[in-house]
Amino acid sequence: QKEVEQDPGPLSVPEGAIVSLNCTYSNSAFQYFMWYRQYSRKGPELLMYTYSSGNKEDGRFTAQVDKSSKYISLFIRDSQPSDSATYLCAMSRRSQGNLIFGKGTKLSVKP
Amino acid sequence: NAGVTQTPKFQVLKTGQSMTLQCAQDMNHNSMYWYRQDPGMGLRLIYYSASEGTTDKGEVPNGYNVSRLNKREFSLRLESAAPSQTSVYFCATHTYGRVNEQYFGPGTRLTVT
Repeated sequence: QKEVEQDPGPLSVPEGAIVSLNCTYSNSAFQYFMWYRQYSRKGPELLMYTYSSGNKEDGRFTAQVDKSSKYISLFIRDSQPSDSATYLCAMSRRSQGNLIFGKGTKLSVKP
Repeated sequence: NAGVTQTPKFQVLKTGQSMTLQCAQDMNHNSMYWYRQDPGMGLRLIYYSASEGTTDKGEVPNGYNVSRLNKREFSLRLESAAPSQTSVYFCATHTYGRVNEQYFGPGTRLTVT
């Protein structure tokens, strides 16, 4: 079993839809949970970060961590065509450690 | 303030040739990383440098070497390129102890024929 699993999609939604992106993981020692957005032919950019369990909201984006289920989610409200990108989850056990990435989910928001 | 820069942006090599990918950052970060990204494989760590003067292997180090030239620069060398090293290479950095704030460069697209 891979340490981090992420459905690669692709996921296609109409503009204005609520998008749910998810990752599962197997290592209960993960404490730091990140979501990166990667536009085509660009480097990943940090979107959101959560430490341990709980929710975090930033504008249209909400990140959730459920450590009991080893499951993290990213919700995008009122999705826009500019949200079309690949979304990668990433996790780490320590504040100074290596990130383990999911394979990324490709999202397309249609106008 | 350029952030993380990588050179070259694109490169085509023949099997057996060597080359060095360069990464530089002006963010005063201690930790620097080299990843490769392949379709269906996600981002995989090749080598990293937690701080100036140290380097360590990641998940896929075979066929690569690295040099942490100074705090700003971290280079990745392919001594004898192979078609399996065709990939997009990303450099990333963060302040020591802030793995949650890792910043990536724009990438180098390498093709080995």
